[in-house]
Amino acid sequence: QVQLVESGGGLVKPGGSLRLSCAASGFTFSDYYMSWIRQAPGKGLEWVSYISSSGSTIYYADSVKGRFTISRDNAKNSLYLQMNSLRAEDTAVYYCARGPVAGTLDYWGQGTLVTVSS
Amino acid sequence: QSALTQPASVSGSPGQSITISCTGTSSDVGGYNYVSWYQQHPGKAPKLMIYEVSNRPSGVPDRFSGSKSGNTASLTISGLQAEDEADYYCSSYTSSSVVFGGGTKLTVL
Repeated sequence: QVQLVESGGGLVKPGGSLRLSCAASGFTFSDYYMSWIRQAPGKGLEWVSYISSSGSTIYYADSVKGRFTISRDNAKNSLYLQMNSLRAEDTAVYYCARGPVAGTLDYWGQGTLVTVSS
Repeated sequence: QSALTQPASVSGSPGQSITISCTGTSSDVGGYNYVSWYQQHPGKAPKLMIYEVSNRPSGVPDRFSGSKSGNTASLTISGLQAEDEADYYCSSYTSSSVVFGGGTKLTVL
């Protein structure tokens, strides 16, 4: 069965950096686009970024462009999100998800909490 | 990358039907048949309920249905059950992003 497990969240000071990881299993990771989505406390879902199966195509939300970098290692079945210059408004649960496949994010991890605070 | 527009809340009694709307533009909802709906219970990850406007993944009850007209998509839940109480989010794919609605809290009275 498809499993996505995020890790790497925690407490970081404004201006700091953090790297999130997402370990995938139960499917051929290298065949799928992958995405990061976040949810601030008590708020809705916000798409952050997605990366094509080969890594050659990448898109970011305007809110994170220039500060966050998505990447993947198909040999390790892993997705990453390098987050730099973190701000208080980046505080959220970060989910990795499989897709978009025909616009759909069909499987989601359980999320990892990132808190940006001094 | 503006969010899609959903009502903040809807409610219904067990056995009734409710519909949640999701309004976008011709650049997202109206331009692609790539509208999805997600259910999220408190403290849990979102779960896909509808994809490509009106398709249900395996395991999703047929009480859940989706449709689209122009720039507005809709999720209908018929025969409401207590376990349907949750937050619901629509999303649409664009040429370079995924955009979500603000979410709708469904209360089963």
